[in-house]
Amino acid sequence: DGGITQSPKYLFRKEGQNVTLSCEQNLNHDAMYWYRQDPGQGLRLIYYSQIVNDFQKGDIAEGYSVSREKKESFPLTVTSAQKNPTAFYLCASSIGTKTGEEEKLFFGSGTQLSVL
Amino acid sequence: EDQVTQSPEALRLQEGESSSLNCSYTVSGLRGLFWYRQDPGKGPEFLFTLYSAGEEKEKERLKATLTKKESFLHITAPKPEDSATYLCAVNSNSGYALNFGKGTSLLVTP
Repeated sequence: DGGITQSPKYLFRKEGQNVTLSCEQNLNHDAMYWYRQDPGQGLRLIYYSQIVNDFQKGDIAEGYSVSREKKESFPLTVTSAQKNPTAFYLCASSIGTKTGEEEKLFFGSGTQLSVL
Repeated sequence: EDQVTQSPEALRLQEGESSSLNCSYTVSGLRGLFWYRQDPGKGPEFLFTLYSAGEEKEKERLKATLTKKESFLHITAPKPEDSATYLCAVNSNSGYALNFGKGTSLLVTP
């Protein structure tokens, strides 16, 4: 089945530690995104990538880093500089064209990150 | 800057009691308005895309409508399995990704 796989489902971070969240898609989509969701809040965009080897900061990129070395993969690293990392992290992808329903996002099942 | 406001924040309905969720938006050139459903601990699931004022789309007990300033998600005779958070998002000429509202948490009781 085609889809987006996020791992792990739950992740714990110690103070001063960097952690990496995995996101893999087999939908052959060009664009991939990382959103952060806090309780009672909307989804906020961290980073996005419209093509391999290129990515841009979203609204809340500070304390995060990404890479896009393969079309299928868009890992997110939460660095020690992110002082409030506890949140639900969602990876998404889209076909990548800028018209119509092709901008629809397909989401993974999310990773819950907590601080020890 | 694009803004998306959803109301109410939470809604409790009896099974069979129809109602509507609201999504108000301010954007510079709407390219599309999207509705998603999200169950606890899961990723959002796509429901509808609307593009122009007057457009309507239906899926089972759900019907989405769009005006120049807002969208409504009408739920007809809801069932307990319709309980979820419903998210509204917009894509605009000035944006680079979907901009989401905070969602409406819907609880349908038997």
